[in-house]
Amino acid sequence: DTAVSQTPKYLVTQMGNDKSIKCEQNLGHDTMYWYKQDSKKFLKIMFSYNNKELIINETVPNRFSPKSPDKAHLNLHINSLELGDSAVYFCASSQISDFSAWTDTQYFGPGTRLTVL
Amino acid sequence: KNEVEQSPQNLTAQEGEFITINCSYSVGISALHWLQQHPGGGIVSLFMLSSGKKKHGRLIATINIQEKHSSLHITASHPRDSAVYICAPQAAAGNKLTFGGGTRVLVKP
Repeated sequence: DTAVSQTPKYLVTQMGNDKSIKCEQNLGHDTMYWYKQDSKKFLKIMFSYNNKELIINETVPNRFSPKSPDKAHLNLHINSLELGDSAVYFCASSQISDFSAWTDTQYFGPGTRLTVL
Repeated sequence: KNEVEQSPQNLTAQEGEFITINCSYSVGISALHWLQQHPGGGIVSLFMLSSGKKKHGRLIATINIQEKHSSLHITASHPRDSAVYICAPQAAAGNKLTFGGGTRVLVKP
C-alpha cells in the first residue's frame, strides 16, 4: 500500500508547455508539501498546504500553482515550462495539528523527474 | 557560507564498519531531520529530533543544540545502507526547513 504516490514518475516535455504533477496520500495526514531537488541534489521547499489551505509559499515563480482539492491531494501545475524547471519534484505529507509546519516526520513520495527540452 | 554544512560529502566504508556523518548549522532550531535518499531517488525520513539521541535499528542520531551540531551514526554498516543522507534543520523562527547538500555513503561488501 503506497503511502504517498505521485504521477507521473517521469515527465518529458517541450519548453513553453503546461503540465501537472499529481500527489495523493492515504495516511490521513493534514499537511502536504512540494519540494524541488535540483541537479546538485539540493532539496528546496516550494509549498505547504494544511487542510487544503496554503501555509507556506517560498519564492517560487507564479508559473507554479499548487491545487489541493481535498486534504489527501496536492497537485502541482506548471505553466510555460522553462529549461530551469527540469528537476525532480517530491511530494510529502505529515500529520500536524497546527500551523507549525514540519514538526512531525514527513513521508515522501517517489518523486517525479521533469525534463524540459 | 551555507546555513547547513555536512561532512564528509562522500564516504566509502567496508561492510561492518561504523560510520559517522556530521551536520553543522548556523540558525537556532526547533528540530532537526535526517533523511535518506536511495540510489533510485526515493526519500525516507529517518529521524526528527530536538534534543539528545534517538535510535532506530542500526541508526543513531544525536544532536547538541548548544553547539549547533548533529551526527548520524550507522553501526555494523551494510551495502544496503548505501545512499545519500541529508540533514535538514528546522528553524525555530518560522519553522522553515533548510537542507544540507547530503553525504553520499557507499558501503562495500
